[in-house]
Amino acid sequence: SQELEQSPQSLIVQEGKNLTINCTSSKTLYGLYWYKQKYGEGLIFLMMLQKGGEEKSHEKITAKLDEKKQQSSLHITASQPSHAGIYLCGADRGGDYKLSFGAGTTVTVRA
Amino acid sequence: GAVVSQHPSRVICKSGTSVKIECRSLDFQATTMFWYRQFPKQSLMLMATSNEGSKATYEQGVEKDKFLINHASLTLSTLTVTSAHPEDSSFYICSASRRGPSYGYTFGSGTRLTVV
Repeated sequence: SQELEQSPQSLIVQEGKNLTINCTSSKTLYGLYWYKQKYGEGLIFLMMLQKGGEEKSHEKITAKLDEKKQQSSLHITASQPSHAGIYLCGADRGGDYKLSFGAGTTVTVRA
Repeated sequence: GAVVSQHPSRVICKSGTSVKIECRSLDFQATTMFWYRQFPKQSLMLMATSNEGSKATYEQGVEKDKFLINHASLTLSTLTVTSAHPEDSSFYICSASRRGPSYGYTFGSGTRLTVV
């Protein structure tokens, strides 16, 4: 069973619009990672969050981890075609450094 | 930054043959490497974890004799799919880590295996 719930499964946004992806766990997370993947390719690291309430930004992407360390969100501001792809959240749920992943969110950006 | 090279990127093999996939950390020593499998439009499923110089730890449901993992050095791990069958066709991807979460995980570019 999937222990990391990621939503939405897919979304289509108009270029220039904002979007948000959520990742939820029933267990406390030791580390939360966001990756981007193009279909059939490897994963590109975006951000890592460890502390409750932590927020990080890089260019137009912002990731947050809630205080309980069970929910994270990824927000993209003013989306561009280059933001299209599959976004995956991964988490170390047991403190054993093994990453488990959510089902992914497919983002399509329309010009 | 940390770079992981995975080879080959694509491979087609006949049923019953074995295929080896290599995962190399190019500019760092990876104490731990992970192997994942990804089915079309699905997420990554962890298959096994390998530490340099020790036996790999397999996830529940993964056949050890089917998927042989060797982590002979701090920069190289290999996954061998033995006696491959069409149902083994998938996207395999490795990840390498120097240590725990503080150092993160770097992923290879993946290998598309097709068994005919």
